[in-house]
Amino acid sequence: GQSLEQPSEVTAVEGAIVQINCTYQTSGFYGLSWYQQHDGGAPTFLSYNALDGLEETGRFSSFLSRSDSYGYLLLQELQMKDSASYFCAVRDDNYGQNFVFGPGTRLSVLP
Amino acid sequence: ETGVTQTPRHLVMGMTNKKSLKCEQHLGHNAMYWYKQSAKKPLELMFVYSLEERVENNSVPSRFSPECPNSSHLFLHLHTLQPEDSALYLCASSPSRGNNEQFFGPGTRLTVL
Repeated sequence: GQSLEQPSEVTAVEGAIVQINCTYQTSGFYGLSWYQQHDGGAPTFLSYNALDGLEETGRFSSFLSRSDSYGYLLLQELQMKDSASYFCAVRDDNYGQNFVFGPGTRLSVLP
Repeated sequence: ETGVTQTPRHLVMGMTNKKSLKCEQHLGHNAMYWYKQSAKKPLELMFVYSLEERVENNSVPSRFSPECPNSSHLFLHLHTLQPEDSALYLCASSPSRGNNEQFFGPGTRLTVL
């Protein structure tokens, strides 16, 4: 079957750095994306990796290793507003017809 | 209106009712999606439309019926639902079907009694 695994919860303090891991088992791989979802809100796109390496977007960075079927989202200089759920997602076909999402990681940022 | 909008935001229906969820995107995108988000489960992709052409998803029960009259509008018609269908139904769009960045609407919280 197809599955993505993420830690269910992560807690950190303001100003800290946190890493949210994602491992995947899918029939195909055409990119790993990350989304943020606040309680009661819509998922919002954060970043995308198609090739191995690190992509940086402000305080957020995302990493991919296709040989390890593994990626992570790195959040730096944590702020209270970063408390949310974070989902990784894999597009597993070349036609954009199937996206598989992870179960989500709930991040709590403490003062 | 900007982005992706969904109506209604909340819906309570009985198992014998027929209702429809509406999604509208104001982004000029060519692909639209329906997702189901249940508590403690990953988002599940239900349907994909690209340029108003539907991509079949055989795992979705026939009591869910999508409709895409044009590239800006997407509907999900519901009939004879079950209590386990209670969930948040999210609509999303992307510039094209192969694009990894999707823009989500706020969702419709559906409760089936």
